[in-house]
Amino acid sequence: QVQLQESGPGLVQPSGTLSLSCTVSGGSINTYYWTWIRQPPGKGLEWIGYVFYSGSAKYTPSLESRVTISVDTSKNQVSLKLTSVTAADTAVYYCARQSPETSVTTGGFDSWGQGILVTVSS
Amino acid sequence: SYELTQPPSVSVSPGQTARISCSGEALTEKYGYWYRQKPGQAPVLVIYKDNKRPSGIPERLSGSNSGTTVTLTISGVQAEDEADYYCQSEDSRGDYKVFGGGTRLTVL
Repeated sequence: QVQLQESGPGLVQPSGTLSLSCTVSGGSINTYYWTWIRQPPGKGLEWIGYVFYSGSAKYTPSLESRVTISVDTSKNQVSLKLTSVTAADTAVYYCARQSPETSVTTGGFDSWGQGILVTVSS
Repeated sequence: SYELTQPPSVSVSPGQTARISCSGEALTEKYGYWYRQKPGQAPVLVIYKDNKRPSGIPERLSGSNSGTTVTLTISGVQAEDEADYYCQSEDSRGDYKVFGGGTRLTVL
C-alpha cells in the first residue's frame, strides 16, 4: 500500500516562499500524476497542480504564476514551491496520487498524505 | 474559470436516502469523482468515473451522471456517513482539475 508523507516548515513569512516535500513509499512513483491540493481552514479543497513522473506539470490558472511542482524519481519525492505568499495561502496542504484514466485504474485521487498545515504570518 | 456547484448542506435521518448533486457544464463529457472527508482527516475517494466504487467502499454508496449533473446517493444512511463530500472533475479540455465547494451531510 503506497504511503505519502508531506514535510516542510509550518510557518512561512509573508512575501516568502512556501516549500514542501512529499515522500512516496511502498510504491513506484512512475506512471502516476503527483498532485498538490490545499484546504484553507474551514473551507473547501483547491487543486493546485500536478507533475507527471516524466516531469511535465500543469497548474491551476489562479496560481500558475507563483507555483512550481517537481519530481525527483531517484528519491521518490515530489516538491511544491509557492512564491510571494500571503495570508490567503494559509492552508492544509495535501500531497495526493492520481492514477491515469485507463480501463483498469480509477483516474481519481486514490491515495493521500495526512496533510500539513502551513501558516503564513510574521 | 470552470466551477462545479454543490449544495452547502444536506440533512437526513438515519436509514433514509441522501442525495448530493454536483453541477458543471463539462460533466457531459468528463467523469465525476466523489470524496468523503471527516474532521481532521484527509479526503477518501468513494466514487470514481461517475458510478464506480473503489474496493472497501460500501454498496450503499452509489453515483450517477445525468448530463451536466453527477449525483452521489447514500442509501440507508448511518451515523458514520456524517462528513463533508466533495465532487471533482476537470475542465472540458482536460487542462486542470476542479473540486466542488463541498456538501456537509448531517445525520439527524
